[in-house]
Order: sequence, then C-alpha cells, then structure tokens
Amino acid sequence: RKEVEQDPGPFNVPEGATVAFNCTYSNSASQSFFWYRQDCRKEPKLLMSVYSSGNEDGRFTAQLNRASQYISLLIRDSKLSDSATYLCVVNVEGTASKLTFGTGTRLQVTL
Amino acid sequence: GAGVSQTPSNKVTEKGKYVELRCDPISGHTALYWYRQSLGQGPEFLIYFQGTGAADDSGLPNDRFFAVRPEGSVSTLKIQRTERGDSAVYLCASSPYSRGLGELFFGEGSRLTVL
Repeated sequence: RKEVEQDPGPFNVPEGATVAFNCTYSNSASQSFFWYRQDCRKEPKLLMSVYSSGNEDGRFTAQLNRASQYISLLIRDSKLSDSATYLCVVNVEGTASKLTFGTGTRLQVTL
Repeated sequence: GAGVSQTPSNKVTEKGKYVELRCDPISGHTALYWYRQSLGQGPEFLIYFQGTGAADDSGLPNDRFFAVRPEGSVSTLKIQRTERGDSAVYLCASSPYSRGLGELFFGEGSRLTVL
C-alpha cells in the first residue's frame, strides 16, 4: 500500500462548481499535512497547510481526520486558473526528515 | 530572481554516461532536498541535507546516485552509469525549516532523458 494515496482523476468541472479531493495516508505517526499545487510542467508550490481543526483560505478549505487517516481539499467557485494537479503531502516527524507526496489529483476547470 | 535555481534545465545523455545536476537554493535556507518525479507520479524523496551533511539519504535508489553540499549552499546530484529508468525530472527544494516542517520552495527542475 502506498504511503499517501490519491485519486489521480482527472476531475473535469465547470467554472463555478465546487469540487472536493480526498487523500489517505498509511502511517498513523504522520504529524504534518499539506496540499501543494503543481501546474503542467512546473514545480510544486505550497497551496496550504492542513491543521487538525480544519482551515480555510479564501475559496479553499482543508480538513484532517486523524482517526480515519484522511485529508480533504474543497475548492468552491472553481476558476479556470484552478486547473492544475493537487498533491497531498504528509510528513512523519522524528523518523525520516522528508515529506511524502501523493501521486496528485488532476483538476480541469472548463467554461 | 531569488528562487531556487537548477541547472541544466534539460539534459539528454546516453545510457552509461555520468551526469551532474546542480541546485542553488534560496540564500539562507539551511535545508535542501532532492526529489525525483516521473511522468504521472508525485515527487519521490531522494536525499535531505541540513547544512553540509546529508541528514537522510534513504531515498537514493542505489549506489549510482550520490549528492554533495560541501559548503552548505549549492548542491550537486551525481548519477553514474545512467540507465534509461533514471529518466525523470529531478527537483531540488530548499527551506528555512528543518525536519520537513513548513514550506518547501522548489526549483523548476532538471529534466533528464537517458537514451
């Protein structure tokens, strides 16, 4: 089983739609969680950190469920510019000092 | 710019050759990471430096891969006897934080093609 699993998509949604991505992780010792965004043939960039209580940044909402080892990202009022791959990222502190990336979920927002 | 700089941006080589990929991190960032990304996959961890030392090299696939950061700034990833399976985008990232906490700032990557 992969350490971080995501549905690769693609998710094709019309502009203005609400879309949600899910991610599961296998290591219960995972401590830090992030969503990164990667545009086609570009480098990943941090979208937002994910906190235990859930957090929101404009149209983006991230949730963490430690009991189910599950992370989600909700995008409201999708824009064409939201089209990208969204990478779920997990860090296990105290073991290997690395972030583990999922394979990413591709989002295509259309007119 | 002040971002992470990687050279070359593209490298085409023949099987069996030696390649070096260079990363110039953001000034002042003590943590430096190398990742490898194949088509349709997420970045895969290779090695992490804190300062000059390799704090975690558990992601290096075999002994053909080696990385250095002699002065705690620029890093070089070295691949010996390249194989076709080494073809990927090699991403470097730096961070002012240690132990994978906080944001990683990635370079645009070096695309390696082994023929």
